[in-house]
Amino acid sequence: DADVTQTPRNRITKTGKRIMLECSQTKGHDRMYWYRQDPGLGLQLIYYSFDVKDINKGEISDGYSVSRQAQAKFSLSLESAIPNQTALYFCATSDSGTSGSLSYNEQFFGPGTRLTVL
Amino acid sequence: DQQVKQNSPSLSVQEGRISILNCDYTNSMFDYFLWYKKYPAEGPTFLISISSIKDKNEDGRFTVFLNKSAKHLSLHIVPSQPGDSAVYFCAASVTGDYKLSFGAGTTVTVRA
Repeated sequence: DADVTQTPRNRITKTGKRIMLECSQTKGHDRMYWYRQDPGLGLQLIYYSFDVKDINKGEISDGYSVSRQAQAKFSLSLESAIPNQTALYFCATSDSGTSGSLSYNEQFFGPGTRLTVL
Repeated sequence: DQQVKQNSPSLSVQEGRISILNCDYTNSMFDYFLWYKKYPAEGPTFLISISSIKDKNEDGRFTVFLNKSAKHLSLHIVPSQPGDSAVYFCAASVTGDYKLSFGAGTTVTVRA
């Protein structure tokens, strides 16, 4: 079974619709992230959460909101979708790490959701 | 403004030869660097990393070199294999920050 799952995998919607992308993980990690990937731009951070009560904006949070329902679940919402939000969306997780270890920088990604806004 | 740059969007290499992917960064606070590999329809997967206290890290066919003074790192794949055909992302972070800044990626094609 996949450690980080995303639903749906593909979604086509219309301008103005509300969309929710869901992410679940079984890795037991505290930290979760949402990224979008656009051609030529790499991955850009939308929101991140270091625990259930800690939510932070990333580089490109405008037009998005998130909810951390539990340690294992982190949802991304587009309140009113617009065409330039058409992209590939990835959820990722990372461990809180241990003293002296740098491995906590490593993030584990889900398979992605391809979202098209018409 | 992108703090991590991969200036070569694509690279084509013959099977068995060396692939060299380059990455430049602008933030001198970055002290941990990672390479991720991504196949179509899959999420990125961690490949190899290096801390700023080192200038080289090797894992099998993959070696990452870090030149802190030039703010440059490179990934060497030797020998290249068809299964290495993928998009490679360079990422950087600051210890204690836990966020990653990614480059735009380099698409590697290994020719038989």
